[in-house]
Amino acid sequence: KAGVTQTPRYLIKTRGQQVTLSCSPISGHRSVSWYQQTPGQGLQFLFEYFSETQRNKGNFPGRFSGRQFSNSRSEMNVSTLELGDSALYLCASSLPGPGTYNEQFFGPGTRLTVL
Amino acid sequence: AQSVTQPDIHITVSEGASLELRCNYSYGATPYLFWYVQSPGQGLQLLLKYFSGDTLVQGIKGFEAEFKRSQSSFNLRKPSVHWSDAAEYFCAVGATGGFKTIFGAGTRLFVKA
Repeated sequence: KAGVTQTPRYLIKTRGQQVTLSCSPISGHRSVSWYQQTPGQGLQFLFEYFSETQRNKGNFPGRFSGRQFSNSRSEMNVSTLELGDSALYLCASSLPGPGTYNEQFFGPGTRLTVL
Repeated sequence: AQSVTQPDIHITVSEGASLELRCNYSYGATPYLFWYVQSPGQGLQLLLKYFSGDTLVQGIKGFEAEFKRSQSSFNLRKPSVHWSDAAEYFCAVGATGGFKTIFGAGTRLFVKA
């Protein structure tokens, strides 16, 4: 079974631009979560989607948004990029489990550099 | 609020020596606990998990962890470290209802020959 895939793997943008990152979960997984990883802040939860609905959101500004499609693929968007947005963005998928917690499987990440 | 503390930013051990990485959590209910490993430039790989039951859990690559409710700890151990174990290790707690995972700051493991 194929793992979680993220595209692109590397991205360079300049301040003020916007960016869209894509995540394809493991087949059958309907929950997708996004995390930002930086040396200073570590792994920070961005948001989680299940069946095209955002169920939880971390403490990030509104410039960070996401969505999930009917095939469970997810995208996250960052508008008006800032230097501090440079990070590794990780996507994780898990099986559906209302009211329970299921282990997450992580993709390799997208390395975003903002110049 | 839920939190995870990994007191050691980095640890150096000799190849063949034993390893223990510390993790303390703060969570009101019975937590779902995880240890992940991340090699440079890679995503996170799950080493082991604790959901319930036996408090000593076995994982991949010879790792084990023990859940101690009284100490709010979930320390990771390995009896004999290999050079390939050099990586960053993250302890995490999964919260039901919140549908999110909270990670510790990570512990970087260095292995010396």
